[in-house]
Amino acid sequence: EAGVAQSPRYKIIEKRQSVAFWCNPISGHATLYWYQQILGQGPKLLIQFQNNGVVDDSQLPKDRFSAERLKGVDSTLKIQPAKLEDSAVYLCASSEGQGTPSYEQYFGPGTRLTVT
Amino acid sequence: GNSVTQMEGPVTLSEEAFLTINCTYTATGYPSLFWYVQYPGEGLQLLLKATKADDKGSNKGFEATYRKETTSFHLEKGSVQVSDSAVYFCALSGNRGSTLGRLYFGRGTQLTVWP
Repeated sequence: EAGVAQSPRYKIIEKRQSVAFWCNPISGHATLYWYQQILGQGPKLLIQFQNNGVVDDSQLPKDRFSAERLKGVDSTLKIQPAKLEDSAVYLCASSEGQGTPSYEQYFGPGTRLTVT
Repeated sequence: GNSVTQMEGPVTLSEEAFLTINCTYTATGYPSLFWYVQYPGEGLQLLLKATKADDKGSNKGFEATYRKETTSFHLEKGSVQVSDSAVYFCALSGNRGSTLGRLYFGRGTQLTVWP
């Protein structure tokens, strides 16, 4: 079974530029999560989708971050404009349903963003 | 609110040594508790979990017991191997309302095992 795919794996941009990350969850998984992991810290949830609807985006900085989940499958996370403090690893995870621990979250390898 | 505190690393051990990584939590209600592991260059993987007080999660020789009275979920392994070198994250999941299914992670503990 293929795992969660993310691209690109690495990205370097200058502040005030825009960037987009892509996630392809495990086939059939209804729930998709985006996490931000700053160096030296644990992952922090940014947004959670159930199919193509947003369940929780309370931690998403909506003035610069946006996310969508097209047709309830792939998802894109965008930052515009980027700030230095956005340098982090962005993790995508998916699960069959909503509600841990009943549904295990499977994580992708992440995209490491460096903002200079 | 929900939060997790785990011991800071890095932790360096010789092969076959005993491992303990401490984890304590603060939560509303009765959360589920997890340990995730991140091997170099790979994504986070679930190592073990416990869903209620006194439950013991175990996998690959690792164990952790859900202690409600001390709000702890310490990770232990009796004899570590070089292949256990990774970053370990303690986490809890909310169990009500908007926090249902949401994972709250600790900072992570880097473990290095020398042969």
